[in-house]
Amino acid sequence: GQGVEQPDNLMSVEGTFARVNCTYSTSGFNGLSWYQQREGHAPVFLSYVVLDGLKDSGHFSTFLSRSNGYSYLLLTELQIKDSASYLCAVNSNYNVLYFGSGTKLTVEP
Amino acid sequence: EAAVTQSPRNKVTVTGGNVTLSCRQTNSHNYMYWYRQDTGHGLRLIHYSYGAGNLQIGDVPDGYKATRTTQEDFFLLLELASPSQTSLYFCASSKTGGDTQYFGPGTRLLVL
Repeated sequence: GQGVEQPDNLMSVEGTFARVNCTYSTSGFNGLSWYQQREGHAPVFLSYVVLDGLKDSGHFSTFLSRSNGYSYLLLTELQIKDSASYLCAVNSNYNVLYFGSGTKLTVEP
Repeated sequence: EAAVTQSPRNKVTVTGGNVTLSCRQTNSHNYMYWYRQDTGHGLRLIHYSYGAGNLQIGDVPDGYKATRTTQEDFFLLLELASPSQTSLYFCASSKTGGDTQYFGPGTRLLVL
């Protein structure tokens, strides 16, 4: 089967950072995407990674280790408005994405 | 950014009722998808299509039919709705199968 796992919840403090983890076990790998989703709204694309290493995109950075089936989304200089759910999605067979259940990030003052 | 619209935005029906959810994308994407989202399960793929007249089965297809009438339009049909189908439904589109997906605003369906 296709498994994409994320922790349910994560809390952090405004002005600091948060790391959202994602582990996957799929029959193939053709890339991994991160989406942000606010309560009751549609997921919004944030980042896509296909090569190992850290991809720095400013406020959001993503890391991938294909050999370990692991990725994380790093949010720096957190703001209250970063409070949302973050979804990890793996493309394993060119046709569909397999989504994790999402991590709800709460940023406290 | 891709434009994906859904209608209706909210729908209430009764058990056994007939419901059609509509999705339209205006960016000439080939792939379109229907998902449901429930607390604790995340996004689950119901059906998808890679072109007009094509239909592929997703992970949770039972109780759902779908039809892709044109490149722009993808419909989800619940012919005998059940309370277990109460959910938030999202449509999405992408240029190719593994490409970034763009989501519509969602339809909240309540089956009484």
